[in-house]
Amino acid sequence: AQKVTQAQTEISVVEKEDVTLDCVYETRDTTYYLFWYKQPPSGELVFLIRRNSFDEQNEISGRYSWNFQKSTSSFNFTITASQVVDSAVYFCALSRGGADGLTFGKGTHLIIQP
Amino acid sequence: IAGITQAPTSQILAAGRRMTLRCTQDMRHNAMYWYRQDLGLGLRLIHYSNTAGTTGKGEVPDGYSVSRANTDDFPLTLASAVPSQTSVYFCASSQWTGNTIYFGEGSWLTVV
Repeated sequence: AQKVTQAQTEISVVEKEDVTLDCVYETRDTTYYLFWYKQPPSGELVFLIRRNSFDEQNEISGRYSWNFQKSTSSFNFTITASQVVDSAVYFCALSRGGADGLTFGKGTHLIIQP
Repeated sequence: IAGITQAPTSQILAAGRRMTLRCTQDMRHNAMYWYRQDLGLGLRLIHYSNTAGTTGKGEVPDGYSVSRANTDDFPLTLASAVPSQTSVYFCASSQWTGNTIYFGEGSWLTVV
């Protein structure tokens, strides 16, 4: 069975601080995919990133970066110089590429205070 | 703009009533999914469909049914709604299973 754990239920930081959202996953599959989604207060789910299990390169996209470490089964997400617009619930998710879609963590509510 | 359309956006429903949540995508994606989102529980898969004509059960399928008569539509039916089915329902799709999954804007359902 697959499992995704986001231990941080809620994080509150002041604008311009850096913040890291943790994601730890469990799977028996050798091929799998990891995702991050953002859910702003408006409620929609916005895709941020998809990584496959064979690609451990870290990725940077503007102020966002992702650190994938198979040795610790983690796929952490860092926002640099946070902004109020980053306030949202962030979900980490795991897929084995099969028909059963994504297994989600319970989400981390990120609050960026001005 | 291409994407996933869900209807209704929100609904208040009396317990025991039948309800169908509609989902249409215009991206010609093969796989479609229904998730429910509940506070503290995250998103959980209800049913999925790999391709038109096939469906499968997810983590929480009881009380729900789906059909996939064509590529674009994937309706979710609550045969006899109960208060525990009060939730936000998200329809989603992907080109194939394992590809990135994109979500509709959600349907807020309250069963009273």
